Amino acid sequence: DTAVSQTPKYLVTQMGNDKSIKCEQNLGHDTMYWYKQDSKKFLKIMFSYNNKELIINETVPNRFSPKSPDKAHLNLHINSLELGDSAVYFCASSQVLAGGTTDTQYFGPGTRLTVL
Amino acid sequence: ILNVEQSPQSLHVQEGDSTNFTCSFPSSNFYALHWYRWETAKSPEALFVMTLNGDEKKKGRISATLNTKEGYSYLYIKGSQPEDSATYLCAFKDGNKLVFGAGTILRVKS
Repeated sequence: DTAVSQTPKYLVTQMGNDKSIKCEQNLGHDTMYWYKQDSKKFLKIMFSYNNKELIINETVPNRFSPKSPDKAHLNLHINSLELGDSAVYFCASSQVLAGGTTDTQYFGPGTRLTVL
Repeated sequence: ILNVEQSPQSLHVQEGDSTNFTCSFPSSNFYALHWYRWETAKSPEALFVMTLNGDEKKKGRISATLNTKEGYSYLYIKGSQPEDSATYLCAFKDGNKLVFGAGTILRVKS
């Protein structure tokens, strides 16, 4: 049973298109994240949701919009795709522990987005 | 800008060698430091979450230590095996988010 799953695994699309990446976790966690692996291979946080509420929104273009229909899902919609959006996007989830600290993050397999 | 630095950038060792690498992070406002193991074409997998100065954690042949006062953590691998080949990431907990280092790429030759 996959704990954190993402679809699709690969996404190739033209510049200017709108696309979505879906993420689901079956761990019962209340916090979910989107990361972008940049060209230097760094993992950089984009967004985080806790119980469907946005808690982290890093400096990300408005073309990126996360949507959390319930706490087990966090989808990423990207409008007007640009060449620079090509990257691997990782979803993750974690459980907030007592005292407000966050436990280990569990990552999905990643979605490789290629914009042509 | 919060910096998390890892060294070395990459490491090639022979099977059976023991090795270690470093993660440096800000020594102020410390909450937690995470270590992850990331194999090629897979997702990062959690190794340790370290929260207390002087903490030492162990999982099989892998162990980690933490010094929050000077802002560093060491990851040790004893008797490296080819299956240990991966990128080892550390991440510093900054408020609600994790700030990742660039990783140390370990290659173990048999």
